[in-house]
Amino acid sequence: ETGVTQSPTHLIKTRGQQVTLRCSSQSGHNTVSWYQQALGQGPQFIFQYYREEENGRGNFPPRFSGLQFPNYSSELNVNALELDDSALYLCASSRDGPGTGELFFGEGSRLTVL
Amino acid sequence: GQNIDQPTEMTATEGAIVQINCTYQTSGFNGLFWYQQHAGEAPTFLSYNVLDGLEEKGRFSSFLSRSKGYSYLLLKELQMKDSASYLCAVPLAAGNKLTFGGGTRVLVKP
Repeated sequence: ETGVTQSPTHLIKTRGQQVTLRCSSQSGHNTVSWYQQALGQGPQFIFQYYREEENGRGNFPPRFSGLQFPNYSSELNVNALELDDSALYLCASSRDGPGTGELFFGEGSRLTVL
Repeated sequence: GQNIDQPTEMTATEGAIVQINCTYQTSGFNGLFWYQQHAGEAPTFLSYNVLDGLEEKGRFSSFLSRSKGYSYLLLKELQMKDSASYLCAVPLAAGNKLTFGGGTRVLVKP
């Protein structure tokens, strides 16, 4: 139990639709990162939010966007869904800002795009 | 860019020892993480190495050689519950935005 909660746990969408995934970080953690994990692969960094601003982005197109709220919770939005977007989306929070430190992962939201 | 290689799968017997190797290439080095991920669950932190050498934490140990771009995770006295994927990761830069390897799935047999 890491104290990071994500919703929904599972969802099914069709190509072209939009999806919003939510994450509540562990209490006191001010940094939230999002990762995409395809089946049988390691997580890939999407982006990180620190103090409500994007603080670094991986190799993902602009249709992947996010937000961080004053209470440090976060949303990941994906527009114009493609079949390859089917994956487990992991949220991770950390306590000490974007500096080196342990990440605490949520259980993830499993997205299936048909 | 960054590149991380680790074996895809390993099988070992309960009570035995398994060593999971990880080689990495980075433009700068800011430490190396190991995470454990059981099927359908969140990755959980195992270790962080920034200096060369072996760090031991109970049944799990992690080793780092910065000059060789090499790390390993050693699991001793294997238990059935150790069946999981083990992920090697390095930060993209100074910080905790991580690049992960593909993960090594370890299957512990009775």
